[in-house]
Amino acid sequence: AQKVTQAQTEISVVEKEDVTLDCVYETRDTTYYLFWYKQPPSGELVFLIRRNSFDEQNEISGRYSWNFQKSTSSFNFTITASQVVDSAVYFCALSEAGSGNTPLVFGKGTRLSVIA
Amino acid sequence: DTGVSQNPRHKITKRGQNVTFRCDPISEHNRLYWYRQTLGQGPEFLTYFQNEAQLEKSRLLSDRFSAERPKGSFSTLEIQRTEQGDSAMYLCASSLVGQVESEAFFGQGTRLTVV
Repeated sequence: AQKVTQAQTEISVVEKEDVTLDCVYETRDTTYYLFWYKQPPSGELVFLIRRNSFDEQNEISGRYSWNFQKSTSSFNFTITASQVVDSAVYFCALSEAGSGNTPLVFGKGTRLSVIA
Repeated sequence: DTGVSQNPRHKITKRGQNVTFRCDPISEHNRLYWYRQTLGQGPEFLTYFQNEAQLEKSRLLSDRFSAERPKGSFSTLEIQRTEQGDSAMYLCASSLVGQVESEAFFGQGTRLTVV
């Protein structure tokens, strides 16, 4: 069975601090996809990144970076120099097999509050 | 392209009533998903379609729930004889699969309150 665990329920940081959101996953598949979504107060889930299980290269996009470690089944997300606009709930998700377009299994989310 | 659109945004209904939600996916997307999200939880998969075919239904989808996508475009999710436990945000997402693929794009959801 697949499972995604986001152990941090809520995190508060002061603006400009760096923050890392943890994600640990379980799956029996050798091919799978991992995702991060952002859910601002408006409610719409905003796609941030998709990574397949064969690509362990870390990725950086502006202030965002992701660290995928298959050995520990983790896919952590770091925001550098956080801003108030980063305040949201962040979800890590897992998709089995294929193209990653199978239904997503989400973690419970981490609520990030960035204080000015 | 206006993204995934869901209507209504909010619905309050009395227990025992039937409700229907609509989702209009991104026009060229052939896959459409329904999820349910309760307070403090991540979205949970309910069902999904490839064009008009319903490919999978979660065990969460009781007999009171039915979803359709008759022409492979918009979809409806109906809940019959609503219960207070049905109160949640119902999210729709769409994606493109095939030679060109995309990640899932989500709508803003329909928040259901059963009183």
